[in-house]
Amino acid sequence: AQKVTQAQTEISVVEKEDVTLDCVYETRDTTYYLFWYKQPPSGELVFLIRRNSFDEQNEISGRYSWNFQKSTSSFNFTITASQVVDSAVYFCALSEGGILTGGGNKLTFGTGTQLKVEL
Amino acid sequence: DAGITQSPRHKVTETGTPVTLRCHQTENHRYMYWYRQDPGHGLRLIHYSYGVKDTDKGEVSDGYSVSRSKTEDFLLTLESATSSQTSVYFCAIMTRNEQFFGPGTRLTVL
Repeated sequence: AQKVTQAQTEISVVEKEDVTLDCVYETRDTTYYLFWYKQPPSGELVFLIRRNSFDEQNEISGRYSWNFQKSTSSFNFTITASQVVDSAVYFCALSEGGILTGGGNKLTFGTGTQLKVEL
Repeated sequence: DAGITQSPRHKVTETGTPVTLRCHQTENHRYMYWYRQDPGHGLRLIHYSYGVKDTDKGEVSDGYSVSRSKTEDFLLTLESATSSQTSVYFCAIMTRNEQFFGPGTRLTVL
């Protein structure tokens, strides 16, 4: 069975600090996808990124960057120069296979990390 | 915006009553999902659908049933609501191996 662990329940930082959110996953599949979602206080779930298991290139999008390491089964998320608007709960998720493999892309979520960015 | 709406957005009901939540999408996506979100658990899959009349169970399906008679609508039914089903329910669709979520329904069972 697949599993996602976000060991950091809550992180508090001061604005402009860099912060890394950890995500460790377990899966038996060789084909899988990893995701990050943001849930601001308003409650909606915002898609941030999808990474497939064949692409270990790190990705940067503005102040956001992601580090995918298959050797350690980790998919960590870094926010550079954090801002108050980054305050949210962040979820890491995993899906095995894909439509063609019949997996239906069912997502397994971690328990989330609450990030608080203070002035 | 993935064109997903959920209704109702908030509902308070009593133990033992039936409840139906509706997820509606406007973009003809084949795959639809129902998740529940609870503190300390993240989101957990209840049921999903891979086409009209094609559904399957997820991790926490006990006490829930679903139906999909049209591509655009995916209904989640609690036949006899219990207090343990107090939660926030999210519907999702899948496109290009990415899942996008509706705004959520907050259900309170007293």
